[in-house]
Amino acid sequence: ELKVEQNPLFLSMQEGKNYTIYCNYSTTSDRLYWYRQDPGKSLESLFVLLSNGAVKQEGRLMASLDTKARLSTLHITAAVHDLSATYFCAVEGGGSNYKLTFGKGTLLTVNP
Amino acid sequence: AAGVIQSPRHLIKEKRETATLKCYPIPRHDTVYWYQQGPGQDPQFLISFYEKMQSDKGSIPDRFSAQQFSDYHSELNMSSLELGDSALYFCASSLFGGLSYEQYFGPGTRLTVT
Repeated sequence: ELKVEQNPLFLSMQEGKNYTIYCNYSTTSDRLYWYRQDPGKSLESLFVLLSNGAVKQEGRLMASLDTKARLSTLHITAAVHDLSATYFCAVEGGGSNYKLTFGKGTLLTVNP
Repeated sequence: AAGVIQSPRHLIKEKRETATLKCYPIPRHDTVYWYQQGPGQDPQFLISFYEKMQSDKGSIPDRFSAQQFSDYHSELNMSSLELGDSALYFCASSLFGGLSYEQYFGPGTRLTVT
């Protein structure tokens, strides 16, 4: 059974600081996703990482994937208040199994 | 661009009642997934359909059933509702064989059972 571990679960940051969220998963998978969720809202797709060594950047967020280590990171650069949200990583089951298994999520609070 | 449509957006039911949630995938998408997200929890996969056939099943209670219709929309039927069924229910759609099989999520249906 695929397990996805995300840490930290809670992250309080000062504006302007950098930090990294980690996502480990237990079985082979070639596709990993990062989502943002605001309270009571839907899941907003941030990044789709399809291959080993993939790195994607959008604004102050950068995501990477190491399939050999089964590790993905979401790096936040110079955080701003608008980034406050819950961030989920999700991993496809692998092979012909496309259902997503989510991490527990990281509740990010960026303080002025 | 067209997105996934879910209806209703909010639903309040009493215990032991039934509920039907509807999902309209992005046009040309042939695969639909249902997820349940309890308060403060991560989304949990319930069931998926590809070309109107069930393709995978997760932790879906026996009280729930779902199907995908000829126009690719899907319905999640929930009977004998319990307080613990209160959650956000997301539908996602994808195009099998698409570049990334990426699942696009709808806005969700918030079900409250009282």
